Amino acid sequence: SYDVTQPPSVSVSPGQTASITCSGDNLGDKFVAWYQQKPGQSPVLVIYKDNKRPSGIPERFSGSNSGNTATLTISETQPVDEAEFYCQAWDSSIVILGGGTKLTVL
Amino acid sequence: EMNLVESGGGLVQPRRSLRLSCSVSGFTFGDYAMSWFRQAPGQGLQWVALITNRAYGATTQYAASVRGRFTISRDDSRSIVYLQMSSLKTEDTAVYFCSRAVSEYGDSWYFDLWGRGALVTVTS
Repeated sequence: SYDVTQPPSVSVSPGQTASITCSGDNLGDKFVAWYQQKPGQSPVLVIYKDNKRPSGIPERFSGSNSGNTATLTISETQPVDEAEFYCQAWDSSIVILGGGTKLTVL
Repeated sequence: EMNLVESGGGLVQPRRSLRLSCSVSGFTFGDYAMSWFRQAPGQGLQWVALITNRAYGATTQYAASVRGRFTISRDDSRSIVYLQMSSLKTEDTAVYFCSRAVSEYGDSWYFDLWGRGALVTVTS
């Protein structure tokens, strides 16, 4: 079965750029979405189709996907961005989810 | 305003059944595929099941961990998606979220709207 791997945690200082990776075999051949989930809340879609941003998502959120790695980049990170982030792909009629990355802004 | 509201969660004994419902409003339900996810306490998100809309044959897909025990279905006339859960195990304890699925060509789904979730606790 297809798997994707995320780092368990990423730390960033306020105002700096955070990068969260999602790795899988030839992941660049698939579309990747990213979700942000804050404690006690539902997930929110922040990136779809590798680099598309839904309406209402700040421009500081961006995405890329090439080779074996997809990356969610948050520029000028703010304390409000602290959350768990999940990458998601689709393979063989199955939704594939990463294990999640805890973004800490400190 | 687009809304997804889950209901039917609660306490249930192992090996028993439970049905979750997700009522949708604010968009044309029949135009979209729908999906269920779950999140065990302190754990990550896990996909459970997906049902396409009628245009794609209302086909269903399941995670291996629930295939054969859970059934996803939809009632387009009432804008509700269901998750029938049977032979429940303690490891099925989780918050269950319903979500709206989007795709251009019936694959590469992503999920743009989510409900607030319903807690299912499986315990003796």
